[in-house]
Amino acid sequence: ELKVEQNPLFLSMQEGKNYTIYCNYSTTSDRLYWYRQDPGKSLESLFVLLSNGAVKQEGRLMASLDTKARLSTLHITAAVHDLSATYFCAVDSGGGADGLTFGKGTHLIIQP
Amino acid sequence: GAGVSQTPSNKVTEKGKYVELRCDPISGHTALYWYRQSLGQGPEFLIYFQGTGAADDSGLPNDRFFAVRPEGSVSTLKIQRTERGDSAVYLCASSPIRGGTQYFGPGTRLLVL
Repeated sequence: ELKVEQNPLFLSMQEGKNYTIYCNYSTTSDRLYWYRQDPGKSLESLFVLLSNGAVKQEGRLMASLDTKARLSTLHITAAVHDLSATYFCAVDSGGGADGLTFGKGTHLIIQP
Repeated sequence: GAGVSQTPSNKVTEKGKYVELRCDPISGHTALYWYRQSLGQGPEFLIYFQGTGAADDSGLPNDRFFAVRPEGSVSTLKIQRTERGDSAVYLCASSPIRGGTQYFGPGTRLLVL
């Protein structure tokens, strides 16, 4: 059974600081996704990582994938309040036929 | 263009009743997924359609849950004899191809009293 673990589950940080969210998964996977969810809203796709060593960046967010370690990171640079949200990583269990397995999410609060 | 839409946005029902939740995917998307999200948790996979057929229904919790997609576009998730534990947000997602990025709808918040 594929398991996805995120840490931390809760993070409060100040604007301007850097931090990293970690996502570990238990079995080989074809794809890893990062999603953002604002309170009461649905999920917004941020990144899709397809291969070992993949790195993608959008604004202050950068995601990377190490398939050998079964680890993905989401790095936040010089955080701003607008990045406050819950961030989920999700893993495709393979073959494209199954749904995604999600972590529990990291609830991020960025304080001025 | 229009995103994934779901109706109703909120549904309150009584224990034992039957409910239907509707998903209208992005036009042209062949893959459609249903998930259930409980408070403070990540979404849990329920069922996946490729076209009209349910390619993977391994996430459906029991036989009270059923979903259809008769014409390969709109899908309906049906829950019989609802229980209080069914209360959650039901999310629908669609993708242009099998294994592609999934785009989520706003969800239906189901409350079973």
